[in-house]
Amino acid sequence: QSVLTQAPSASGTPGQRVTISCSGSNFNIGRNSVFWYQQIPETAPKLLIYRNDRRPSGVPDRFSGSKSGTSASLAISGLRSEDEADYYCAAWDDSLRGVVFGGGTKLTVL
Amino acid sequence: EVQLLESGGSFAPPGGSLRLSCAASGLNLNIFALSWVRQAPGKGLEWVSVISGSGVDTYYADSVKGRFTISRDNLKNTMYLQMNSLRVEDTAVYYCAKEYHSNYAGFGAWGQGTVVTVSS
Repeated sequence: QSVLTQAPSASGTPGQRVTISCSGSNFNIGRNSVFWYQQIPETAPKLLIYRNDRRPSGVPDRFSGSKSGTSASLAISGLRSEDEADYYCAAWDDSLRGVVFGGGTKLTVL
Repeated sequence: EVQLLESGGSFAPPGGSLRLSCAASGLNLNIFALSWVRQAPGKGLEWVSVISGSGVDTYYADSVKGRFTISRDNLKNTMYLQMNSLRVEDTAVYYCAKEYHSNYAGFGAWGQGTVVTVSS
């Protein structure tokens, strides 16, 4: 059971906008920054969003992040087939004194 | 551009030991925290441990505390994970990752991973 909660799956059609949610607590998301990662199967994860809503250089602006209270969201607009991947949220947990990940959301582009 | 290269993954019996290495190139890493993140077959990402740039601060997941030890040699630009008392559930791909923007949960660069298999 992951400390951060994500829906196991999500789907959308090309061009659509999809949102992936991540729920935590006051010990992690409530007081620390949220990061989002994309993982194509059989490859290393890639940083998509840092500090809740910022994009590293090279990440398309189709990807956006937000945070409110103890929850965070990743939105993908203009969905493309290459967006089909697993998406993970992560944050530092002050109680556990460690990094916690969500269980991951598998995005399928129909 | 920084590149991270893990090595040391192998087969080990339950109760055995392994030492993983993560060699960095392209950047002097001694001001960056480095982490180990693992992924069991068919499962999600699990953070294992982090070490600060100076090596003074270390943190561990409860699942490995007391069994794994993280360390680094900044002169060699290399990080290590000594894994003792291995369990079947430690079987995973182990990634090393470099911090991003001074946050332990931000992993801006990843290695390609090294496979650890614990089995009798």
